[in-house]
Amino acid sequence: DTEVTQTPKHLVMGMTNKKSLKCEQHMGHRAMYWYKQKAKKPPELMFVYSYEKLSINESVPSRFSPECPNSSLLNLHLHALQPEDSALYLCASRPPTGEKLFFGSGTQLSVL
Amino acid sequence: KNEVEQSPQNLTAQEGEFITINCSYSVGISALHWLQQHPGGGIVSLFMLSSGKKKHGRLIATINIQEKHSSLHITASHPRDSAVYICAVRSPYSGGGADGLTFGKGTHLIIQP
Repeated sequence: DTEVTQTPKHLVMGMTNKKSLKCEQHMGHRAMYWYKQKAKKPPELMFVYSYEKLSINESVPSRFSPECPNSSLLNLHLHALQPEDSALYLCASRPPTGEKLFFGSGTQLSVL
Repeated sequence: KNEVEQSPQNLTAQEGEFITINCSYSVGISALHWLQQHPGGGIVSLFMLSSGKKKHGRLIATINIQEKHSSLHITASHPRDSAVYICAVRSPYSGGGADGLTFGKGTHLIIQP
Protein backbone atom coordinates (compact mmCIF):
# COMPACT_ATOMS: atom_id res chain seq x y z
CA ASP A 1 0.00 0.00 0.00
CA THR A 2 1.70 3.21 -1.19
CA GLU A 3 -1.13 5.61 -0.60
CA VAL A 4 -2.08 8.34 1.78
CA THR A 5 -5.85 8.20 2.18
CA GLN A 6 -7.84 11.23 3.25
CA THR A 7 -11.51 11.33 4.21
CA PRO A 8 -13.88 12.91 3.55
CA LYS A 9 -13.06 14.24 0.08
CA HIS A 10 -15.51 17.10 0.49
CA LEU A 11 -16.93 18.73 3.60
CA VAL A 12 -19.37 21.58 4.09
CA MET A 13 -19.82 22.85 7.61
CA GLY A 14 -21.32 25.74 9.48
CA MET A 15 -19.34 27.99 11.76
CA THR A 16 -20.76 26.31 14.87
CA ASN A 17 -20.13 22.75 13.75
CA LYS A 18 -17.48 20.33 14.99
CA LYS A 19 -15.99 18.02 12.38
CA SER A 20 -12.85 15.98 11.86
CA LEU A 21 -10.62 15.25 8.90
CA LYS A 22 -8.87 11.91 8.73
CA CYS A 23 -5.61 10.84 7.13
CA GLU A 24 -4.25 7.30 7.01
CA GLN A 25 -1.10 5.66 5.65
CA HIS A 26 0.27 2.15 6.02
CA MET A 27 3.75 2.70 4.61
CA GLY A 28 5.50 2.86 7.97
CA HIS A 29 6.11 6.58 7.64
CA ARG A 30 6.78 8.28 10.95
CA ALA A 31 6.48 11.92 9.84
CA MET A 32 3.03 13.20 8.93
CA TYR A 33 1.95 16.68 7.93
CA TRP A 34 -1.14 18.81 7.57
CA TYR A 35 -1.10 21.51 4.88
CA LYS A 36 -3.69 24.13 4.01
CA GLN A 37 -3.99 25.25 0.39
CA LYS A 38 -6.08 28.16 -0.84
CA ALA A 39 -7.04 28.35 -4.51
CA LYS A 40 -4.15 29.14 -6.85
CA LYS A 41 -1.70 29.28 -3.93
CA PRO A 42 1.01 26.83 -2.84
CA PRO A 43 0.41 24.62 0.22
CA GLU A 44 1.06 26.17 3.65
CA LEU A 45 2.34 23.98 6.45
CA MET A 46 0.08 23.73 9.52
CA PHE A 47 1.35 20.87 11.67
CA VAL A 48 4.11 18.28 11.70
CA TYR A 49 3.99 15.03 13.66
CA SER A 50 7.17 13.06 14.10
CA TYR A 51 6.88 9.64 15.74
CA GLU A 52 3.34 10.48 16.87
CA LYS A 53 4.47 13.62 18.68
CA LEU A 54 3.57 17.10 17.56
CA SER A 55 6.88 18.63 16.69
CA ILE A 56 5.81 21.76 14.93
CA ASN A 57 2.74 23.96 15.09
CA GLU A 58 3.09 26.85 12.70
CA SER A 59 1.02 29.29 14.80
CA VAL A 60 -2.24 27.84 13.60
CA PRO A 61 -5.42 29.09 15.35
CA SER A 62 -6.71 26.88 18.14
CA ARG A 63 -9.90 26.15 16.22
CA PHE A 64 -7.72 23.59 14.40
CA SER A 65 -6.67 20.75 16.67
CA PRO A 66 -4.44 17.94 15.37
CA GLU A 67 -4.28 14.45 16.79
CA CYS A 68 -2.04 11.49 16.00
CA PRO A 69 -3.53 8.42 17.74
CA ASN A 70 -0.99 6.02 16.20
CA SER A 71 1.73 5.86 13.58
CA SER A 72 -0.75 5.29 10.73
CA LEU A 73 -3.45 7.78 11.55
CA LEU A 74 -3.62 11.56 11.66
CA ASN A 75 -6.72 13.58 12.46
CA LEU A 76 -7.52 17.27 12.22
CA HIS A 77 -10.36 18.34 14.49
CA LEU A 78 -12.26 21.44 13.42
CA HIS A 79 -14.38 23.64 15.66
CA ALA A 80 -15.89 27.09 15.24
CA LEU A 81 -14.24 27.67 11.88
CA GLN A 82 -14.52 30.86 9.89
CA PRO A 83 -15.43 31.22 6.20
CA GLU A 84 -11.82 32.17 5.46
CA ASP A 85 -10.81 28.69 6.61
CA SER A 86 -12.41 27.30 3.45
CA ALA A 87 -9.57 25.61 1.58
CA LEU A 88 -8.11 22.30 0.48
CA TYR A 89 -6.56 20.47 3.43
CA LEU A 90 -3.78 18.12 2.42
CA CYS A 91 -2.13 15.41 4.44
CA ALA A 92 1.36 14.16 3.60
CA SER A 93 3.79 11.65 5.01
CA ARG A 94 7.50 11.01 4.68
CA PRO A 95 9.52 7.85 5.29
CA PRO A 96 12.06 7.73 8.14
CA THR A 97 14.87 7.95 5.59
CA GLY A 98 14.51 9.80 2.35
CA GLU A 99 13.14 13.05 1.12
CA LYS A 100 10.08 12.08 -0.91
CA LEU A 101 6.71 13.30 0.35
CA PHE A 102 3.56 11.28 -0.24
CA PHE A 103 0.41 13.38 -0.43
CA GLY A 104 -3.22 12.47 0.02
CA SER A 105 -5.86 13.72 -2.40
CA GLY A 106 -7.07 16.28 0.10
CA THR A 107 -10.32 17.35 1.73
CA GLN A 108 -12.04 20.31 0.10
CA LEU A 109 -13.57 22.20 3.01
CA SER A 110 -16.24 24.86 2.73
CA VAL A 111 -17.26 26.84 5.80
CA LEU A 112 -20.59 28.61 5.52
CA LYS B 1 14.42 32.93 3.40
CA ASN B 2 14.70 30.95 0.23
CA GLU B 3 12.76 32.53 -2.60
CA VAL B 4 11.45 30.10 -5.21
CA GLU B 5 10.41 31.51 -8.56
CA GLN B 6 8.70 29.48 -11.24
CA SER B 7 8.13 30.39 -14.85
CA PRO B 8 5.94 30.56 -16.70
CA GLN B 9 2.97 30.93 -14.36
CA ASN B 10 0.60 29.75 -17.07
CA LEU B 11 1.33 27.74 -20.20
CA THR B 12 -1.02 26.52 -22.91
CA ALA B 13 0.37 24.26 -25.61
CA GLN B 14 -0.77 21.84 -28.28
CA GLU B 15 -0.62 18.09 -27.88
CA GLY B 16 2.78 16.74 -28.84
CA GLU B 17 4.75 19.86 -28.00
CA PHE B 18 7.90 19.81 -25.88
CA ILE B 19 7.24 21.59 -22.59
CA THR B 20 9.74 23.28 -20.28
CA ILE B 21 8.96 24.67 -16.85
CA ASN B 22 11.65 26.53 -14.93
CA CYS B 23 12.40 26.98 -11.24
CA SER B 24 14.97 29.27 -9.66
CA TYR B 25 15.85 29.59 -6.02
CA SER B 26 17.91 32.08 -4.06
CA VAL B 27 19.99 30.12 -1.53
CA GLY B 28 21.68 26.74 -1.39
CA ILE B 29 19.47 23.71 -1.05
CA SER B 30 19.73 20.08 0.01
CA ALA B 31 16.96 18.88 -2.32
CA LEU B 32 14.50 20.11 -4.92
CA HIS B 33 11.12 18.51 -5.56
CA TRP B 34 8.89 18.64 -8.59
CA LEU B 35 5.24 18.01 -7.72
CA GLN B 36 2.17 17.62 -9.91
CA GLN B 37 -1.29 18.67 -8.79
CA HIS B 38 -4.38 17.82 -10.81
CA PRO B 39 -7.71 19.64 -10.53
CA GLY B 40 -9.41 18.18 -7.48
CA GLY B 41 -6.35 18.50 -5.37
CA GLY B 42 -4.13 15.45 -4.96
CA ILE B 43 -0.41 16.11 -5.23
CA VAL B 44 1.98 13.58 -6.71
CA SER B 45 5.70 13.75 -6.18
CA LEU B 46 7.37 13.48 -9.61
CA PHE B 47 11.04 13.90 -8.79
CA MET B 48 13.41 14.67 -5.97
CA LEU B 49 16.75 16.04 -7.14
CA SER B 50 19.94 17.02 -5.42
CA SER B 51 22.12 17.02 -8.54
CA GLY B 52 22.15 16.13 -12.21
CA LYS B 53 19.22 14.77 -14.12
CA LYS B 54 16.39 12.27 -13.68
CA LYS B 55 14.03 10.75 -16.22
CA HIS B 56 10.73 8.98 -15.76
CA GLY B 57 8.77 8.14 -18.87
CA ARG B 58 8.16 11.36 -20.79
CA LEU B 59 9.28 13.54 -17.89
CA ILE B 60 12.82 14.79 -17.42
CA ALA B 61 14.07 16.94 -14.55
CA THR B 62 17.43 18.66 -14.39
CA ILE B 63 19.12 20.77 -11.80
CA ASN B 64 22.14 23.11 -11.96
CA ILE B 65 23.33 23.63 -8.41
CA GLN B 66 25.80 26.38 -9.32
CA GLU B 67 23.15 28.40 -11.13
CA LYS B 68 20.42 27.57 -8.57
CA HIS B 69 18.08 26.51 -11.33
CA SER B 70 16.01 23.48 -12.24
CA SER B 71 13.89 22.60 -15.24
CA LEU B 72 11.09 20.12 -15.76
CA HIS B 73 10.62 18.93 -19.32
CA ILE B 74 7.69 17.02 -20.80
CA THR B 75 8.23 15.35 -24.15
CA ALA B 76 5.34 14.49 -26.50
CA SER B 77 2.88 16.32 -24.25
CA HIS B 78 -0.63 14.95 -23.88
CA PRO B 79 -3.87 16.47 -22.57
CA ARG B 80 -3.59 14.26 -19.47
CA ASP B 81 -0.42 16.20 -18.58
CA SER B 82 -2.63 19.22 -17.89
CA ALA B 83 -2.06 20.08 -14.24
CA VAL B 84 -0.28 22.49 -11.93
CA TYR B 85 3.43 21.75 -11.58
CA ILE B 86 5.01 22.92 -8.34
CA CYS B 87 8.67 23.29 -7.50
CA ALA B 88 9.61 22.99 -3.82
CA VAL B 89 13.06 23.24 -2.25
CA ARG B 90 14.48 22.02 1.01
CA SER B 91 17.11 24.30 2.41
CA PRO B 92 19.07 23.89 5.62
CA TYR B 93 19.90 27.56 5.62
CA SER B 94 16.62 29.37 5.81
CA GLY B 95 12.94 29.19 6.64
CA GLY B 96 10.55 27.32 4.41
CA GLY B 97 8.29 26.06 7.12
CA ALA B 98 9.08 23.57 9.82
CA ASP B 99 9.95 20.83 7.39
CA GLY B 100 12.27 23.12 5.45
CA LEU B 101 10.19 23.11 2.28
CA THR B 102 9.62 26.34 0.38
CA PHE B 103 7.08 26.06 -2.42
CA GLY B 104 6.96 27.94 -5.69
CA LYS B 105 3.62 29.33 -6.80
CA GLY B 106 3.20 26.68 -9.46
CA THR B 107 2.87 26.58 -13.23
CA HIS B 108 -0.60 25.95 -14.61
CA LEU B 109 -0.16 23.82 -17.74
CA ILE B 110 -2.93 23.16 -20.25
CA ILE B 111 -2.32 20.80 -23.17
CA GLN B 112 -4.93 21.15 -25.87
CA PRO B 113 -5.79 18.21 -28.17
